[in-house]
Amino acid sequence: GESVGLHLPTLSVQEGDNSIINCAYSNSASDYFIWYKQESGKGPQFIIDIRSNMDKRQGQRVTVLLNKTVKHLSLQIAATQPGDSAVYFCAERPLLGGGADGLTFGKGTHLIIQP
Amino acid sequence: DGGITQSPKYLFRKEGQNVTLSCEQNLNHDAMYWYRQDPGQGLRLIYYSQIVNDFQKGDIAEGYSVSREKKESFPLTVTSAQKNPTAFYLCASSKGQGAAGGPQHFGDGTRLSIL
Repeated sequence: GESVGLHLPTLSVQEGDNSIINCAYSNSASDYFIWYKQESGKGPQFIIDIRSNMDKRQGQRVTVLLNKTVKHLSLQIAATQPGDSAVYFCAERPLLGGGADGLTFGKGTHLIIQP
Repeated sequence: DGGITQSPKYLFRKEGQNVTLSCEQNLNHDAMYWYRQDPGQGLRLIYYSQIVNDFQKGDIAEGYSVSREKKESFPLTVTSAQKNPTAFYLCASSKGQGAAGGPQHFGDGTRLSIL
């Protein structure tokens, strides 16, 4: 089954509002997490990452929160803009030396911006 | 500009035919990866390579083959043994393996269809 998953397949928000996209993971051995944005017909674009020794990390208009107790990851986008419309994936990656060295992706959440 | 280039953007395969997808990176990254994406799904790992002349199977390697003769290049061959090859194929690279290698960066994909 999926090691990493997302709670909602589609999220619709008003332009200018804040968006929160959630992700649950089950592999407690993973300690590195990444959020990607994928626009139609393109490859995933790196947004922000976080290691398990952190609870929060901020970027430009984005914040990632990690709750290791309940194995939950979230991406917050401030003041959502039309250009934020895309599918957002969370991904986890194992510690160095652990198993296959690729990312495990959830199915994604489609963020729709309402004017 | 530094990045990952995948070609062609669209590819059609006839029954019984092998086809090769190209992936080139000029980021000086050691690790490279191939993923497959099906509609409405997350990405699944096909093969990865941590260093030149070495590569490992991912979760869905059957029907695929790769080579890593140069650091910059990691071509993927979809063989006739892959019975369901229609998908969006994504190549990625990272500085190194595991969490210490940083995020993976993706190309813009090749869409493969069956004639």
